[in-house]
Amino acid sequence: GQQLNQSPQSMFIQEGEDVSMNCTSSSIFNTWLWYKQDPGEGPVLLIALYKAGELTSNGRLTAQFGITRKDSFLNISASIPSDVGIYFCAGRRNTGGFKTIFGAGTRLFVKA
Amino acid sequence: EAGVTQFPSHSVIEKGQTVTLRCDPISGHDNLYWYRRVMGKEIKFLLHFVKESKQDESGMPNNRFLAERTGGTYSTLKVQPAELEDSGVYFCASSQDSGRVFDEQFFGPGTRLTVL
Repeated sequence: GQQLNQSPQSMFIQEGEDVSMNCTSSSIFNTWLWYKQDPGEGPVLLIALYKAGELTSNGRLTAQFGITRKDSFLNISASIPSDVGIYFCAGRRNTGGFKTIFGAGTRLFVKA
Repeated sequence: EAGVTQFPSHSVIEKGQTVTLRCDPISGHDNLYWYRRVMGKEIKFLLHFVKESKQDESGMPNNRFLAERTGGTYSTLKVQPAELEDSGVYFCASSQDSGRVFDEQFFGPGTRLTVL
């Protein structure tokens, strides 16, 4: 079935460091999404990407929609303790009822 | 405006028992989705309601799972009888209009189900 491969599975970084995570798929997506889940809460949308090659920023976050439409990455610059959480990539096609396919998540730990 | 709410937040049941999860979407949102995350794995789509109709239930694991959305407001997801592999976090999400190019889904906090 459809699957997104998200890596790394977890990251342990020092406050102030930059971090990068990515998602790849064997299938093409029309939209790439990045979510963050804080403990005890549901995922919250961080960035949405709509076009191949698109690079979008949201504060210290930057995400790109891969040219092949089969991958995306998320960068976080100058990490802070509240960046701790699980980051999920997700892909969506414009057909099939906008079903959203999620990756397995990257768990980020930030040491102050 | 209240977000998506789910009840209960946690449920621990024994194999063979029945559990019903509830989701209250954001008021006015026609679209309601159920997802499940088994520990450490991806968040998997279960089904999608548009108002009271099931638009897509291709992700439902088997016939032990029954989702309803009577009246097109809140939704319930019943698992009967529960099996060990049903353990996980069940998320509900809602969105306003799936006919747009991008229709943001807002997630609830999830129900953590443990089947012993």
